[in-house]
Amino acid sequence: AQSVTQLGSHVSVSEGALVLLRCNYSSSVPPYLFWYVQYPNQGLQLLLKYTSAATLVKGINGFEAEFKKSETSFHLTKPSAHMSDAAEYFCAVSDPLKAAGNKLTFGGGTRVLVKP
Amino acid sequence: GAVVSQHPSRVICKSGTSVKIECRSLDFQATTMFWYRQFPKQSLMLMATSNEGSKATYEQGVEKDKFLINHASLTLSTLTVTSAHPEDSSFYICSTQAAPPTDGTQYFGPGTRLTVL
Repeated sequence: AQSVTQLGSHVSVSEGALVLLRCNYSSSVPPYLFWYVQYPNQGLQLLLKYTSAATLVKGINGFEAEFKKSETSFHLTKPSAHMSDAAEYFCAVSDPLKAAGNKLTFGGGTRVLVKP
Repeated sequence: GAVVSQHPSRVICKSGTSVKIECRSLDFQATTMFWYRQFPKQSLMLMATSNEGSKATYEQGVEKDKFLINHASLTLSTLTVTSAHPEDSSFYICSTQAAPPTDGTQYFGPGTRLTVL
């Protein structure tokens, strides 16, 4: 079974500072990995994904994440936080060996607060 | 990314009534759709996987007779909350997935806020 752990349910950063959101996974095989962002009262928007190509993945809004197999991690970073980055962020994994109906397993989420 | 719509975005109903929520995949044919429930300040909880033309697969603990799912076409899935009660109040989100082979990417709708009085 797969699982995802997001360290820190809340992260507070100053505008312009580095954003670092941690995600560790547990899986019997290297999974596909995703980061989604959710703004209040909205659905989830895909930020980026790792699907066994380049280990450093660049996404939208200046975010990037690096897949580290040895650390079973997929941490999300952004060099300089903007006020609009305040949101809930979810890390998720899926099983690359499955085809149809491939479910996502979500982490608990990390709420980001950006201070001016 | 893919565009997914949900209707209604917000609904308030009386206890005992049924509510139908629609999820539409607007720019590709989704053989698989998923329905999630999200409580305030919590992560998403998968309720069921909806496959076009077949019965939905429900997660453990989800009452299939209470949460009726229909996936009659490749672009539309519906979730009906039957005999709704206040404890069913929640944020319901659907997602779509392209036909296999797929890397598991899901594209999410904007969600439906259900309030049962």
